[in-house]
Amino acid sequence: EVQLVESGGGLVQPGGSLRLSCAASGFTLSSYSMNWVRQAPGKGLEWVSYISSSSHTKYYADSVKGRFTISRDNAKNSLYLEMNSLRDEDTAVYYCARGILETTFDYWGQGTLVTVSS
Amino acid sequence: SSELTQDPPVSVALGQTVRITCQGDSLTSYYASWYQQKPGQAPVLVIYGENKRPSGIPDRFSGSSSGNTASLTITGAQAEDEADYYCNSRDSSVKHLGVVFGGGTKLTVL
Repeated sequence: EVQLVESGGGLVQPGGSLRLSCAASGFTLSSYSMNWVRQAPGKGLEWVSYISSSSHTKYYADSVKGRFTISRDNAKNSLYLEMNSLRDEDTAVYYCARGILETTFDYWGQGTLVTVSS
Repeated sequence: SSELTQDPPVSVALGQTVRITCQGDSLTSYYASWYQQKPGQAPVLVIYGENKRPSGIPDRFSGSSSGNTASLTITGAQAEDEADYYCNSRDSSVKHLGVVFGGGTKLTVL
């Protein structure tokens, strides 16, 4: 059974940093691209970042470019999102999602809540 | 960046057919994917590509596309289909990969 489990969310002050993790199981992580998608409270879905299966290619939404860094460790079956210079508007549930096509995400984790507030 | 525009909240009577649409320039070049999200839960992929359903998704869900509009149709809506539905596609306004989501459509089954 494919499972994605996010962790690392929490309360952080504006300007602070946080590192999210996503533990993958039930499939071979190295065979898939992965993404982070977020959802602000009561709002819609927003794509955050993409990483190719080999980490060769990484893309970011304009709203997080230069502040967030996506990475993965296929040997540890893990995906990461390093978030720096956090802003109030980064408050959201962050989901990791497996990619089967460029923009098709077939499995999602349960999400981890990041709250940016003073 | 590109935008995808979805319908305002929609309601459907139990057992009837409902179509939810998603409009955007990127859809003239790229397929949309559709996700169902129930309150407090993660999104679930229901349709992708040229009307493909992941394993476990009932065949009452189907997708179609024409011009700049993608549609998700539920034929014989069930109570458990009540949810928010989101479309997404590639952002055609950028050279690199970008992904854009529609704002979502809340479906109520009466």
